[in-house]
Amino acid sequence: DAGVIQSPRHEVTEMGQEVTLRCKPISGHNSLFWYRQTMMRGLELLIYFNNNVPIDDSGMPEDRFSAKMPNASFSTLKIQPSEPRDSAVYFCASSYPRGGAPGNEKLFFGSGTQLSVL
Amino acid sequence: GENVEQHPSTLSVQEGDSAVIKCTYSDSASNYFPWYKQELGKRPQLIIDIRSNVGEKKDQRIAVTLNKTAKHFSLHITETQPEDSAVYFCAATLSGSARQLTFGSGTQLTVLP
Repeated sequence: DAGVIQSPRHEVTEMGQEVTLRCKPISGHNSLFWYRQTMMRGLELLIYFNNNVPIDDSGMPEDRFSAKMPNASFSTLKIQPSEPRDSAVYFCASSYPRGGAPGNEKLFFGSGTQLSVL
Repeated sequence: GENVEQHPSTLSVQEGDSAVIKCTYSDSASNYFPWYKQELGKRPQLIIDIRSNVGEKKDQRIAVTLNKTAKHFSLHITETQPEDSAVYFCAATLSGSARQLTFGSGTQLTVLP
């Protein structure tokens, strides 16, 4: 398995533009997470999906952010319009419940998307 | 919600020495505590985890201890090597939400040759 695949690896855009980040989770994993990483705030959970359904989006900073998971093998995180303070590394991760027990899922992270909004 | 505090934020040790990173959590219902290692420019990867019914777990040179009463857990790395240099994140499950993890702020470990 190639692991969690994210694209693009790097994105540079201008303020006000729409940005779409993409993620392909590991086949068979039923949970998908979007994280944002910055020096100031560390790793922040933005949203997570279980069986393609958004379970908790309380971490999404504002209405400019939206996420979708149309099927088990694809998710997008969209920022519209983008702002300089959105500059960060965005990680997608997927997991499955090991041994069927909740609460001990191992997260498999993608390589991340380095977003720079000028 | 859960709050995870991690200390220190930076740690430098001589090669061969031990390193200890400590985390405290706020929610007594938390039951799973993983540690992730992130090398420069790479993705975070799980290195060890512990569940609340266990007090200590070892895997070669790394170990994690958990004190449920005090609500803190620690990562211990013995005989450190340059390749141990990375940012280490602790995490704890958010009570009532089995698949959410709250991460600590990270510790930059530098192993000096």
